[in-house]
Amino acid sequence: SQQGEEDPQALSIQEGENATMNCSYKTSINNLQWYRQNSGRGLVHLILIRSNEREKHSGRLRVTLDTSKKSSSLLITASRAADTASYFCAHGSGNTGKLIFGQGTTLQVKP
Amino acid sequence: SAVISQKPSRDICQRGTSLTIQCQVDSQVTMMFWYRQQPGQSLTLIATANQGSEATYESGFVIDKFPISRPNLTFSTLTVSNMSPEDSSIYLCSVTTGEKLFFGSGTQLSVL
Repeated sequence: SQQGEEDPQALSIQEGENATMNCSYKTSINNLQWYRQNSGRGLVHLILIRSNEREKHSGRLRVTLDTSKKSSSLLITASRAADTASYFCAHGSGNTGKLIFGQGTTLQVKP
Repeated sequence: SAVISQKPSRDICQRGTSLTIQCQVDSQVTMMFWYRQQPGQSLTLIATANQGSEATYESGFVIDKFPISRPNLTFSTLTVSNMSPEDSSIYLCSVTTGEKLFFGSGTQLSVL
């Protein structure tokens, strides 16, 4: 399977703390993306990092990419209770438009 | 961006029956994707649906079980046929307008 792995599977933190989740993948990639899913519903795109980029920021989100290790991390700073959700990394390759999703990390932020 | 209306949002079905899920997009898109998310699991791609051609199925998924229609550039349906309890999952349609995916709100299917 080309599906990537994420760790931790579950993360529970207090509001205000930072949350870090990691993703590994197996194939060469054009880009790596992170998505958020609330309560098992539709996913929402958070951020995309290209294979030639090493770090990217968007608001409270910071994403890193290490193509030599085939890994990425998502950092959410100053977490809020509303950040409680499942987070998935996904990568595409070629021009098919298809994305392969990681196993996901379930984040709980306690108020 | 794209806004996708997916219905039904949830359904409870009897074993052996079929359910058709609809997705309507607010703009014309070439590729639509159907994903399955089994309980507590990640998303698995079922098939890619392009307008004017047959859907392309991923390994482990077949047209007889998951027939897909794509009559135009804004609409698609996925049918889950001859359902069994193992088909209980969330089914999601998505579209791409470039590199990102936009998702419908999902259909939560329970098969008794």
